[in-house]
Amino acid sequence: DQQVKQNSPSLSVQEGRISILNCDYTNSMFDYFLWYKKYPAEGPTFLISISSIKDKNEDGRFTVFLNKSAKHLSLHIVPSQPGDSAVYFCAASARNQGGKLIFGQGTELSVKP
Amino acid sequence: DSGVTQTPKHLITATGQRVTLRCSPRSGDLSVYWYQQSLDQGLQFLIHYYNGEERAKGNILERFSAQQFPDLHSELNLSSLELGDSALYFCASSVATVSVPSGNTIYFGEGSWLTVV
Repeated sequence: DQQVKQNSPSLSVQEGRISILNCDYTNSMFDYFLWYKKYPAEGPTFLISISSIKDKNEDGRFTVFLNKSAKHLSLHIVPSQPGDSAVYFCAASARNQGGKLIFGQGTELSVKP
Repeated sequence: DSGVTQTPKHLITATGQRVTLRCSPRSGDLSVYWYQQSLDQGLQFLIHYYNGEERAKGNILERFSAQQFPDLHSELNLSSLELGDSALYFCASSVATVSVPSGNTIYFGEGSWLTVV
């Protein structure tokens, strides 16, 4: 039962353009969502998060949007840079579950110069 | 550097053997989580410990076990190893309390790469 889904295994974007990574979830109890970035052979690095009481959170070039009715969130990177090339994981957690995160399968972003 | 330390970074062992992976959480973090990432797989939650007590179990095999010690470091024990156990094993930590409100961010170590031959 894949509660968090990232349906696009890969995405290729030109440098300077917008990257949009998508994530869907099925568990309506999820109320906190995070994006992690991962380089090969390294641990995931926390990027940005959003609580279910918000619909948008912005941090520099990164913005996360949450659409609770659609159970969908997205990560926007503007402008995209070659250094953003990595695998991006969406994760979600539910209240009173001790912080356990459920991860999507990841989307590999490639930003071409 | 996330502050989470995992050892060893790489490990090669034979089928049927047993290994122990070690994790030191960030200073002040009481929660430790273990995740497995196999080839072409996402991050699969294995187990969560908070202040020495097991709090949640995920897709952890019976051949695997974990514990968190009084100094808060944690060990993941993998026994009767099979080829399919080859994976990256990540430890993560957070401040999380037992009834944590959402908003808990967990921080990952660099991982231990296990190869079973």
